[in-house]
Amino acid sequence: EVQLVESGGGLVQPGGSLRLSCAASGFTFSSYSMNWVRQAPGKGLEWVSYISSSSSTIYYADSVKGRFTISRDNAKNSLYLQMNSLRAEDTAVYYCARDERHLFDYWGQGTLVTVSS
Amino acid sequence: EIVMTQSPATLSVSPGERATLSCRASQSVSSNLAWYQQKPGQAPRLLIYGASTRATGIPARFSGSGSGTEFTLTISSLQSEDFAVYYCQQYNNWPRLTFGGGTKVEIK
Repeated sequence: EVQLVESGGGLVQPGGSLRLSCAASGFTFSSYSMNWVRQAPGKGLEWVSYISSSSSTIYYADSVKGRFTISRDNAKNSLYLQMNSLRAEDTAVYYCARDERHLFDYWGQGTLVTVSS
Repeated sequence: EIVMTQSPATLSVSPGERATLSCRASQSVSSNLAWYQQKPGQAPRLLIYGASTRATGIPARFSGSGSGTEFTLTISSLQSEDFAVYYCQQYNNWPRLTFGGGTKVEIK
């Protein structure tokens, strides 16, 4: 069974940093590209970042470019999102999602990031 | 960026009735359109891809149609577990993946 479990969310002040993790199991993690998708409270879905299976290709949404860094460790079956210079508008539930031809076929349960003073 | 517009924002339907949800793209996305279902407190679930292909395990009462800029998700006979928010997503303009704002299907 495919499982994606996010962690690392919490309350952080504006301008602060946070690192999210996503632990994957139930599939060959190193064979799949992965994404982060976020959802602000009561709002819709926003794609955040993409990383290919070998980390050779990485993309970011314009809203986070230069502030967020996606990475992965295939030996640990883990995906990461380093978030710096956080803003109030980054407040959201962050989901990791497996990429299947640019669809999101499996999602984690999400981790809440709250940026507030 | 391709803007996805869903309508209506809220759809009130009685159990057993048909629900028709619309999604419009600001430019053609060919058939590279997916639908997701999200229940309160849960992650989204992939329902439909390629505009009309059901994902694994999705009941036949869910169907998708359309191409280009106009798409429809139809739920033929609403069950209690189908009341949720539905999102469309285009993946034609990868990596600039975009979602619609969602349609909430609520009990009438």
